[in-house]
Amino acid sequence: AQKVTQAQTEISVVEKEDVTLDCVYETRDTTYYLFWYKQPPSGELVFLIRRNSFDEQNEISGRYSWNFQKSTSSFNFTITASQVVDSAVYFCALSEASFGNEKLTFGTGTRLTIIP
Amino acid sequence: KAGVTQTPRYLIKTRGQQVTLSCSPISGHRSVSWYQQTPGQGLQFLFEYFSETQRNKGNFPGRFSGRQFSNSRSEMNVSTLELGDSALYLCASSPQGGQLNIQYFGAGTRLSVL
Repeated sequence: AQKVTQAQTEISVVEKEDVTLDCVYETRDTTYYLFWYKQPPSGELVFLIRRNSFDEQNEISGRYSWNFQKSTSSFNFTITASQVVDSAVYFCALSEASFGNEKLTFGTGTRLTIIP
Repeated sequence: KAGVTQTPRYLIKTRGQQVTLSCSPISGHRSVSWYQQTPGQGLQFLFEYFSETQRNKGNFPGRFSGRQFSNSRSEMNVSTLELGDSALYLCASSPQGGQLNIQYFGAGTRLSVL
């Protein structure tokens, strides 16, 4: 069975600080995908990144960066120089990498509040 | 390009009633998945449809059902509503299905059961 753990329920930081959201996963699959989604107050889940299990390269996109470490089953997300618009609930998710399996297993989410 | 559209945005029903939620995927997307989001259980997968066929199903009772039409639009039905069915129901679409593709979500339908 797959499981995603986001131990941080809520985080508050002052604007312009850096913040890291933790994600730890469990799976017996050798091939899988990891995702991060953002959920603003409007409710829609906004896709941020997908990483497959064979690609452990870290990725940077503007102020966002992701650190994937297969050895510790972690896929952490860092926001640099945070802004108020980053306030949202962030979800880490996991899926099998088999064609035809659309099921995403989500963590419980981390509510991030950026204080102006 | 329009995103995933879910209607209605809000619904209030009473116990025992049934409800139908609608989801229009992004144009060209053939796979539609449904998720339930509650404060207690978080985001849980309900089912996924591809080419009008249910391809995957989560662990929900038979009161939860769905279907997909030839234009890829999907509906989800919940019969004999219970208080615990109050939730945000999210729909997601992807181009061809399978995790080679990414799921894009709508804004959801917030269902309140009184």
